[in-house]
Amino acid sequence: GEDVEQSLFLSVREGDSSVINCTYTDSSSTYLYWYKQEPGAGLQLLTYIFSNMDMKQDQRLTVLLNKKDKHLSLRIADTQTGDSAIYFCAESSNRDDKIIFGKGTRLHILP
Amino acid sequence: DAGVIQSPRHEVTEMGQEVTLRCKPISGHDYLFWYRQTMMRGLELLIYFNNNVPIDDSGMPEDRFSAKMPNASFSTLKIQPSEPRDSAVYFCASSPQTGSFYGYTFGSGTRLTVV
Repeated sequence: GEDVEQSLFLSVREGDSSVINCTYTDSSSTYLYWYKQEPGAGLQLLTYIFSNMDMKQDQRLTVLLNKKDKHLSLRIADTQTGDSAIYFCAESSNRDDKIIFGKGTRLHILP
Repeated sequence: DAGVIQSPRHEVTEMGQEVTLRCKPISGHDYLFWYRQTMMRGLELLIYFNNNVPIDDSGMPEDRFSAKMPNASFSTLKIQPSEPRDSAVYFCASSPQTGSFYGYTFGSGTRLTVV
């Protein structure tokens, strides 16, 4: 089946940029997503990118998509303590109704 | 809208007991998904419904698990009998359509502990 892979942990100093990377296998992906999960909460949709785009910016968030390499990244500028969470990469296609999620990257902010 | 509402938030039960988790999706969302999250396995899709009809239950671990959606505003996930390995956070999510920028809206989850 289709798969989404991401590293499990990332530590970043407060004020620096965080870059979370993800790779996926589905050549038919139409939408790719980044979700954020804070402790004790459900997943919250942070941003998405359509597969025919290569970049999307939303305030401190920048999403880069390399469709040829099936690589997605999320850059968080000026990382703050409130950004500490688990970030999930996910993708969907027109093939079925499911969104495929990665295992999540736990972002830890160093003071 | 109050979002996707799950109850209870926490459930502690003894092995062998029946457990029922509840979910109220966002009004107008035709799709409802049940997920289980553990440290070891991450986020697993258990079952999903479209217009109250179960579409894919291939993720349901075994016959002890069952899910129903009697109407558009309510779904249950039942485990009978429960076992310690069922301990996890169970999420319900809903969506107005799939394969789109909507993604899914998740509830806050039910943390189940089976002792």
